[in-house]
Amino acid sequence: GESVGLHLPTLSVQEGDNSIINCAYSNSASDYFIWYKQESGKGPQFIIDIRSNMDKRQGQRVTVLLNKTVKHLSLQIAATQPGDSAVYFCAENRYTGFQKLVFGTGTRLLVSP
Amino acid sequence: GAVVSQHPSRVICKSGTSVKIECRSLDFQATTMFWYRQFPKQSLMLMATSNEGSKATYEQGVEKDKFLINHASLTLSTLTVTSAHPEDSSFYICSGALSTEAFFGQGTRLTVV
Repeated sequence: GESVGLHLPTLSVQEGDNSIINCAYSNSASDYFIWYKQESGKGPQFIIDIRSNMDKRQGQRVTVLLNKTVKHLSLQIAATQPGDSAVYFCAENRYTGFQKLVFGTGTRLLVSP
Repeated sequence: GAVVSQHPSRVICKSGTSVKIECRSLDFQATTMFWYRQFPKQSLMLMATSNEGSKATYEQGVEKDKFLINHASLTLSTLTVTSAHPEDSSFYICSGALSTEAFFGQGTRLTVV
């Protein structure tokens, strides 16, 4: 069936390192993807999004890469900080007149000082 | 960004009782809101789509008579968990749709004892 999944359940990095979180999706018709950060006991927080007509988009310290050929999405965080520790989800926005999101399984990012 | 407020943030109830969770869009009108459930260490799973002035659309496997959704105004959707049981204990999260973006509430931790 259709799914959005992640390769790595937990990623541990040192402060200052660059982090890369990966996501695979199976619906080739998907055209909009979003990365969310979720801290413990809180709702998801928007990080960055990308549409299928792009292969790269940059924000502040974050970059999202989209490879439609292999249906792969990644989130790169530069100079990772302890405050970046959280669970990161990729989500597929299946626009059917409103924003119905399918979330991946999540990757926990642990940043050590 | 737009703000979605969810209340209460935590609730403990006895088995067999009902609990109402409110989701409000504070600075925008949300004709559509979404309700998600998240079990520990798992991803968000969409339960239902709440449409202002009409019946909610439930995802497969979600009991509409158990999870009552009311979207009586453009800024308020409520989820009532009826006859709650310990297996309903979870983190419930709502989101409001604005254009192509979804804005999430802070979540409600429901514990049924």
